[in-house]
Amino acid sequence: QVQLVQSGAEVKKPGASVKVSCKASGYTFTSYAMHWVRQAPGQRLEWMGWISSGNGNTKYSQKFQGRVTITRDTSASTAYMELSSLRSEDTAVYYCARDPKQQLAPGGWFDPWGQGTLVTVSS
Amino acid sequence: QSVLTQPPSASGTPGQRVTISCSGSNSNIGSNYVYWYQQLPGTAPKLLIYRNNQRPSGVPDRFSGSKSGTSASLAISGLRSEDEADYYCAAWDDSLSGDVVFGGGTKLTVL
Repeated sequence: QVQLVQSGAEVKKPGASVKVSCKASGYTFTSYAMHWVRQAPGQRLEWMGWISSGNGNTKYSQKFQGRVTITRDTSASTAYMELSSLRSEDTAVYYCARDPKQQLAPGGWFDPWGQGTLVTVSS
Repeated sequence: QSVLTQPPSASGTPGQRVTISCSGSNSNIGSNYVYWYQQLPGTAPKLLIYRNNQRPSGVPDRFSGSKSGTSASLAISGLRSEDEADYYCAAWDDSLSGDVVFGGGTKLTVL
C-alpha cells in the first residue's frame, strides 16, 4: 500500500537547521509531487511548499521562502525538507503528503500523509 | 496570507447530522476546489473530501461536502463516536504566489 514514513523527532537550538526525510513506498515515486505541511502546537495546518519528484522543480510558500529547501533522492524514493535559521516559533510537527499529480500545478490534494516529525526548537 | 475561517468547535449526539462551515474569499474558495481533512487525536490528517464533494475510496458516504460562492460545508450524518476528531478545510489560493491555505480546524465532539 502507499506509505510515507518520516524520520524521527529532532531537538534543535535556535539558529540551527533541521532536515526531515520522507520515504515513499508502494508507488512510483517520480510520478507524484510531494508537499510539506507543518502544525505548530494549537495552530492551524500551514503549507510550506512542494516538489515535483520527477524533475525536482520546487515551489515554496512566501512565508518560508529563503529558509526552506525541499529536495528529493529518486534512487531512495525519499523527499527531504530542510528548514534553516530555526526559532522557537518553528517548533511544530512537520508532515509530508503526496499530491495526485507529478507537475507543480495547483488543484491537487494531500493523500496520503506521513506520520509526522516533531521538531522542537529550544535553547 | 489568506486563511479560511471555521468554527472552533461543533458537537452532536450519535445518529445526528452535523455540519461544519468554512468561509473564504474570491481568491481561494471562490475560484478553487475545497478539500476536507480529518485528524483523529494523535494522528496525521487524512483526506476526507476532495474537489468540493468527492469522497476517496474507503470514506463512508455519511461524509459529504458542498460549496457555494466563497463558503463550503462538511456534513456528517449518522454521527458515530469514532467521528470525534478535528476537521480542516483547505483550498488553493490564487493571490500571492498560489499557496494552499487551511482553516483553523473544528473540533467535533460526539456527546
